Amino acid sequence: DADVTQTPRNRITKTGKRIMLECSQTKGHDRMYWYRQDPGLGLRLIYYSFDVKDINKGEISDGYSVSRQAQAKFSLSLESAIPNQTALYFCATSDPGTSGQETQYFGPGTRLLVL
Amino acid sequence: AQTVTQSQPEMSVQEAETVTLSCTYDTSESDYYLFWYKQPPSRQMILVIRQEAYKQQNATENRFSVNFQKAAKSFSLKISDSQLGDAAMYFCAYAAQYSGGGADGLTFGKGTHLIIQP
Repeated sequence: DADVTQTPRNRITKTGKRIMLECSQTKGHDRMYWYRQDPGLGLRLIYYSFDVKDINKGEISDGYSVSRQAQAKFSLSLESAIPNQTALYFCATSDPGTSGQETQYFGPGTRLLVL
Repeated sequence: AQTVTQSQPEMSVQEAETVTLSCTYDTSESDYYLFWYKQPPSRQMILVIRQEAYKQQNATENRFSVNFQKAAKSFSLKISDSQLGDAAMYFCAYAAQYSGGGADGLTFGKGTHLIIQP
């Protein structure tokens, strides 16, 4: 089984709808991240969490919110989706306490289309 | 803010040849990490190689090696004996050393599309 899973893998929604993307991990890592990838722009950080009680905004947090339900679960919500939120979304985890090298491990991505 | 620049949107190489992908970054930090990630058509982000800034020795992973020039803020990836399976987008990424250990997220370049010619 994959260490970092994302659901759904693909989603089509309409403008104004609320949508949640979920991420789960079995790696036992404390740190979790949400990124979005747009064509030609690489990946950009939306939110990150160092533990259940520590959530921080990233470079492009406007229009998004997150919830860290447990060490293993980190959800990203779009309260009112808009077409320019159409992108590929990645969840990632890291545990610098183990490797000390800040390597991030990525989920398979969720492709979101907002009509 | 840190920035990562990949100046080659696309590169092409013959199978079995060697190719070098360029990356430069801008930071005022002294402790940080650098990474190369590979993204094949499956869109999965796969770690290729990593480098700690405090290490002078260049990292190597099988056919993949880096040329890390800290003073020049340059971090290039060399792929030797290119194989068809190396065809992918390659992203250079930077992570500053967080005061409590680790980092608060990766800053990515825009990527280089690598084509392998059979």
